Amino acid sequence: ELKVEQNPLFLSMQEGKNYTIYCNYSTTSDRLYWYRQDPGKSLESLFVLLSNGAVKQEGRLMASLDTKARLSTLHITAAVHDLSATYFCAVDPTNFGNENLTFGTGTRLTIIP
Amino acid sequence: DAGITQSPRHKVTETGTPVTLRCHQTENHRYMYWYRQDPGHGLRLIHYSYGVKDTDKGEVSDGYSVSRSKTEDFLLTLESATSSQTSVYFCAISDLTGGGYGYTFGSGTRLTVV
Repeated sequence: ELKVEQNPLFLSMQEGKNYTIYCNYSTTSDRLYWYRQDPGKSLESLFVLLSNGAVKQEGRLMASLDTKARLSTLHITAAVHDLSATYFCAVDPTNFGNENLTFGTGTRLTIIP
Repeated sequence: DAGITQSPRHKVTETGTPVTLRCHQTENHRYMYWYRQDPGHGLRLIHYSYGVKDTDKGEVSDGYSVSRSKTEDFLLTLESATSSQTSVYFCAISDLTGGGYGYTFGSGTRLTVV
């Protein structure tokens, strides 16, 4: 059974600081996704990582994938309040692209002014 | 949420009653999914569909059934609702063209079983 673990589960950080959220998974996969969820809202796609060494950046967020280590990171640079949300990683366990995604438990990020 | 809608958005129901949640898409995507979201568990897959009349179970399918008679509609039925099925339910769609674009999610249905 595929397990996807995120660390930390809760993160409170000051504006302007840098931090990293980690996503570890237990089976071989080259396909990993990051999503953002605001309170009471749906999930919004952030990044799609489809190969070892993939790196994607959007604004203050950068995601990377190391399939050998079964690890993805979501790095936040110079955090701003608007980034407060819950972030989920999700893994395709089949690696065939049928995208039955298994989600991590989420990291609730709070940015303090 | 363009192209995918869920109904109802909120529902309160009594234990033991059947409940049906609807997911409707206008994207003509082949794959549709039902997840539930609970604190401390992230999202867990209930059922999914890979085409009309083609469905399969996910991780937490007990107590749930699904139907897909048209490409655009995917129904989730709680056969006899229990308090443990109080949750937020999300429908998602996926277009598997090999690009791995992931899911597009609906707005969610908040279900409370009393």
